[in-house]
Amino acid sequence: QVQLVESGGGLVQPGKSLTLSCAASGFTFTDYGMHWVRQAPGKGLEWVAVIWFDGSNKYYGGSVRGRFTISRDNFKNILYLEMRSLRVDDTATYYCARDTADLAAGVLDHWGQGTLVSVSS
Amino acid sequence: DIQMTQSPSSLSASVGDRVTFTCRASQSISSSLSWYQQKPGKAPNLLIYGASSLQSGVPSRFSGSGSGTDFTLTITSLQPEDFATYYCQQSYTSLRISFGQGTRLEIK
Repeated sequence: QVQLVESGGGLVQPGKSLTLSCAASGFTFTDYGMHWVRQAPGKGLEWVAVIWFDGSNKYYGGSVRGRFTISRDNFKNILYLEMRSLRVDDTATYYCARDTADLAAGVLDHWGQGTLVSVSS
Repeated sequence: DIQMTQSPSSLSASVGDRVTFTCRASQSISSSLSWYQQKPGKAPNLLIYGASSLQSGVPSRFSGSGSGTDFTLTITSLQPEDFATYYCQQSYTSLRISFGQGTRLEIK
């Protein structure tokens, strides 16, 4: 069955960097676009970034553009989110999610369990 | 960016009730609308895509409708496991998707 397992979250100081990973299994990773979505404590869902099946195109939400980088390793079946210049308002649970299409149709049919990132001094 | 607005923000209902959630887009999004259910401490779960297509494995008491800017999610005969938060999400701009703020469904 499809499994997405995030890791790499934790407590980090403002201005620092952190990289999240999402290990994928149970499906052909190279057939699907992938997303990161975050949720601040007690708040709603916020889309963060998307990457095409082959990594050739990447798009970002306005609040993270220029600070976060999405990437993927199609040999290891791992999705990444490199986060730089972290701010207190980046505090959230970060989910990776599979798109239903290779070029990203924008429908997310499988989600990981999430990893919590806390940004605080 | 396309803004998604859900109403109401919370809703109280009883087991067996029929409930309807509303989602409005800031511009026409055709039928590019999905609905997700999220329970506390869990990841969201896709219920409906393409405004009215039921995701595999989702009970048939869930249904979606609408096109353009106005959409609804209906649950007929509420079950105890349906009490959760529901989010709509547009994929019209599939490379810049956006979610509504959510509607929390509570037990009356």
